[in-house]
Amino acid sequence: AQRVTQPEKLLSVFKGAPVELKCNYSYSGSPELFWYVQYSRQRLQLLLRHISRESIKGFTADLNKGETSFHLKKPFAQEEDSAMYYCALLTGGGNKLTFGTGTQLKVEL
Amino acid sequence: SAVISQKPSRDICQRGTSLTIQCQVDSQVTMMFWYRQQPGQSLTLIATANQGSEATYESGFVIDKFPISRPNLTFSTLTVSNMSPEDSSIYLCSAGTSVETQYFGPGTRLLVL
Repeated sequence: AQRVTQPEKLLSVFKGAPVELKCNYSYSGSPELFWYVQYSRQRLQLLLRHISRESIKGFTADLNKGETSFHLKKPFAQEEDSAMYYCALLTGGGNKLTFGTGTQLKVEL
Repeated sequence: SAVISQKPSRDICQRGTSLTIQCQVDSQVTMMFWYRQQPGQSLTLIATANQGSEATYESGFVIDKFPISRPNLTFSTLTVSNMSPEDSSIYLCSAGTSVETQYFGPGTRLLVL
């Protein structure tokens, strides 16, 4: 079955601390993965995709096929990083996105 | 990029009634999708809205309950029919030139009493 798992509903860290938002996937083919973010009172938006191998707002995510993971990381959390983060997998033969249940990141001062 | 607007932004409805949600895109796009986000849960794809033809529904969603129209490349509607309290949710429209580059609307928050 094609599935995205985000084990943490809420992650609370202090400002300046490292952040790791976990995402694991189940997919039989070659996976394409994404991270979406929703800030308070804003709409859902794409943060990054694994094939771009880029760093956005200090966040990076590496696809680990052996562990079937795509964890989102940032070395030093900022207050403005507080948001809901969703991991998503391209499924259905590339015709749709399957989303995880999301992790609420709270950065405390 | 594409800017997506949805109407209404929220509504409170009585059970047994129907609500039509509109989604407008500021540019012509290939793909349009409708999602449901129930309280405390993730986004679930309802269907892909196809221009000029019937929508493609995901497992668990049927046309009689969620009829969708897409008369052109910038506009789509989703109707939630014969509503029950279980239909209370946020309904999201997304659009883009590909599945990988979807832009999301602000959502329609629906409460069914």
